[in-house]
Amino acid sequence: EIVMTQSPATLSVSPGERATLSCRASQSVSSNLAWYQQKPGQAPRLLIYGASTRATGVPARFSGSGSGTEFTLTISSLQSEDFAVYYCQQYNNWPSGFGQGTRLEIK
Amino acid sequence: EVQLVESGGDLLQPGRSLRLSCAASGFTFDDYAMHWVRQAPGKGLEWVAGVDWNGGKIGFADSVKGRFTISRDNAKNCLFLQMNSLRAEDSALYYCAKARTLDAATPYDSWGQGTLVTVSS
Repeated sequence: EIVMTQSPATLSVSPGERATLSCRASQSVSSNLAWYQQKPGQAPRLLIYGASTRATGVPARFSGSGSGTEFTLTISSLQSEDFAVYYCQQYNNWPSGFGQGTRLEIK
Repeated sequence: EVQLVESGGDLLQPGRSLRLSCAASGFTFDDYAMHWVRQAPGKGLEWVAGVDWNGGKIGFADSVKGRFTISRDNAKNCLFLQMNSLRAEDSALYYCAKARTLDAATPYDSWGQGTLVTVSS
């Protein structure tokens, strides 16, 4: 089973600043990596798939990069609506797996 | 508009069984793989099970293997999760999620609002 590890667990950033979230896989998942955003009381929302492709309707301030075992989600200029929990997910192999999440909070 | 509506969640005792349903609309159901993902209160996401477009490929998390089964009725646009021998650690909000393609090994671009399962004596 591939283990996904996200860091940091919590990230405090001021609005307008850049946020960088990391995700590491215990073995290569190629580019089969997705990022999701979850706000309190809501279902997750797909942001990025294929490591770097934005899903429909996702603002351009969200970008993903990486391949193999190391991945990054960058939010270039944080808006108030971006403060949420972010999860990475590998779908290269079954069982699919999510990271434990990074909580992005307002500084 | 894609809609996924889960139902069947309940409060029940350990060892009992439960069947969850997910009614899908707004898309061609049998063109897409489907999944169940759960989230315990205050915890992260855990993939539970997935099925490709025609049921030919099915997979389960190790934590539920042998106890849960997943199925779909493409004629009725429904996804199911049969949960047997339930344990306290199965308590969670269960989400139904639509994959981006017919292949189960793709990410999930639509999610329902979830149905709550609580297992407690």
